[in-house]
Amino acid sequence: GQNIDQPTEMTATEGAIVQINCTYQTSGFNGLFWYQQHAGEAPTFLSYNVLDGLEEKGRFSSFLSRSKGYSYLLLKELQMKDSASYLCAVRDEGTGANNLFFGTGTRLTVIP
Amino acid sequence: EPEVTQTPSHQVTQMGQEVILRCVPISNHLYFYWYRQILGQKVEFLVSFYNNEISEKSEIFDDQFSVERPDGSNFTLKIRSTKLEDSAMYFCASSESTSNQPQHFGDGTRLSIL
Repeated sequence: GQNIDQPTEMTATEGAIVQINCTYQTSGFNGLFWYQQHAGEAPTFLSYNVLDGLEEKGRFSSFLSRSKGYSYLLLKELQMKDSASYLCAVRDEGTGANNLFFGTGTRLTVIP
Repeated sequence: EPEVTQTPSHQVTQMGQEVILRCVPISNHLYFYWYRQILGQKVEFLVSFYNNEISEKSEIFDDQFSVERPDGSNFTLKIRSTKLEDSAMYFCASSESTSNQPQHFGDGTRLSIL
């Protein structure tokens, strides 16, 4: 089976940096995705990691350690519009290469 | 930028009725998916579809559910004899491939069963 854990809620200040952690346990591993989801809207793709290390994309970076079953999403220079849920999703090769298994998401609130 | 479109945005249906949710995936994408998200809960995989057949399905996707690609553009999810617990947001997604290409999600259909 799959087990994906993220903190439920986080609060950070506008202009600051925040790190959202995700740990996972899967029977196989074929990539980890981070999505952003504003309330009542669709998840939108942020980043993808399949190899260990850091992937940087503007204000957003994502890190993966496969041996530790751990990833984080780093958001820099926080803006009010970054208030959203951040979903960690794992593609589990053990059950097939297609579907994603999502964590419950971390609701980030950015305050002035 | 091309996007996945879903209709309707909101569907209200009486328990026991059939409902069809429609999706138009991104045109050059080959893999299609349905997910659902019950209010306040996580996004859950239902089914994936490739080459005109189901490639994977979850335990949630029982005989009550079916998917179809009736033409070259539409991808539908049918729920027969809806139950109260089917109330959720249903997201369609598509991807070019299953390697490092992300799944792109539509805005979802909010299904309310009365």
